[in-house]
Amino acid sequence: KNQVEQSPQSLIILEGKNCTLQCNYTVSPFSNLRWYKQDTGRGPVSLTIMTFSENTKSNGRYTATLDADTKQSSLHITASQLSDSASYICVVTLSGGYNKLIFGAGTRLAVHP
Amino acid sequence: KAGVTQTPRYLIKTRGQQVTLSCSPISGHRSVSWYQQTPGQGLQFLFEYFSETQRNKGNFPGRFSGRQFSNSRSEMNVSTLELGDSALYLCASSGTGSSYGYTFGSGTRLTVV
Repeated sequence: KNQVEQSPQSLIILEGKNCTLQCNYTVSPFSNLRWYKQDTGRGPVSLTIMTFSENTKSNGRYTATLDADTKQSSLHITASQLSDSASYICVVTLSGGYNKLIFGAGTRLAVHP
Repeated sequence: KAGVTQTPRYLIKTRGQQVTLSCSPISGHRSVSWYQQTPGQGLQFLFEYFSETQRNKGNFPGRFSGRQFSNSRSEMNVSTLELGDSALYLCASSGTGSSYGYTFGSGTRLTVV
């Protein structure tokens, strides 16, 4: 069964600290993996996208890694800011012609002053 | 360039009524997909349209339907509304190829009372 699991479910950190969110997937055939940030009541916004051959991708203070062998990805947030408070969703795309997305349940991050 | 536009932003309907939601994709994007997001279930795929044809469908009852017009704009219809249909409905558009990012709209918040 195609599945994407994220951990932790929720996380509270202090402003300025770093954190790492995890994503494990059992999706086949794999095309790419994306991380999205979703503010409450808004649509998800893409942070990074990685294909099978890429193992790291950065977007400002966000760095995503991908280990295709262990089917794990992580999103590292450096020097967190209050505006980082949001849900972070890991999404894996199935290959094979149609763009079918498998969503993780998300990690809800709260950054406190 | 303009992003994905969803209208209306908020909607309140009564059980048994029907509702139509609209999505205008990014110019040039021919793929539009729809998702339902609830606190308990996360993001769930409804269906995807490409060049006016539905090419992917999720596991939702027949009360949920959609269509895409020649200008790639898409509508989603839900008939005989139930309380459980209350959710944030998101649409996303994509260019050709699975390596393209999906750009989400801000969503339509539907409340069924």
